[in-house]
Amino acid sequence: DTGVSQNPRHKITKRGQNVTFRCDPISEHNRLYWYRQTLGQGPEFLTYFQNEAQLEKSRLLSDRFSAERPKGSFSTLEIQRTEQGDSAMYLCASSPTEETQYFGPGTRLLVL
Amino acid sequence: AQSVTQLGSHVSVSEGALVLLRCNYSSSVPPYLFWYVQYPNQGLQLLLKYTTGATLVKGINGFEAEFKKSETSFHLTKPSAHMSDAAEYFCAVSRNYGQNFVFGPGTRLSVLP
Repeated sequence: DTGVSQNPRHKITKRGQNVTFRCDPISEHNRLYWYRQTLGQGPEFLTYFQNEAQLEKSRLLSDRFSAERPKGSFSTLEIQRTEQGDSAMYLCASSPTEETQYFGPGTRLLVL
Repeated sequence: AQSVTQLGSHVSVSEGALVLLRCNYSSSVPPYLFWYVQYPNQGLQLLLKYTTGATLVKGINGFEAEFKKSETSFHLTKPSAHMSDAAEYFCAVSRNYGQNFVFGPGTRLSVLP
């Protein structure tokens, strides 16, 4: 069990650029979640996959955001035309059951 | 809609003193409740959870929490604080299996020597 991994750990980009983050869940976990955490706040839910199916999306996930989990294993979160307000920590979590979520270390995004 | 409040964005205790971090929730159905800890520049680590059964839940690192339905609370306690407990603590609720978590705003715990 190597835990949930996320890459990159840090990303600095200019406003208007596209960025993509990757999350590798714990092996055999069929559920995968994305959250966003801004400074001084708790994580906010973005979207959720069960296997390859995206079952739930938050209103926070504007049309500039897209997430995929093509083979039910790793997932990617893409932000198009980044804005300064997108600067945050993006957290990924996975779970084998309906309860406990195991979190990765996060990707910290800074949009200049 | 579910929500979580954590009273006190910052709590300071002396090493060896009791730690009490407060969490209150609102939920239309019996919730599942969690406490997570976050160290600087790291992800969230599960401390403990309540789903069903015994309302006093013991977790890692000597922490425990008690689910009180009548008070809609799930406060986190530890009898004796250690310097290594300094971190951000988040209370979270989920309404049902497979639902996303709703997190509180967090409480930063400082432990003074």
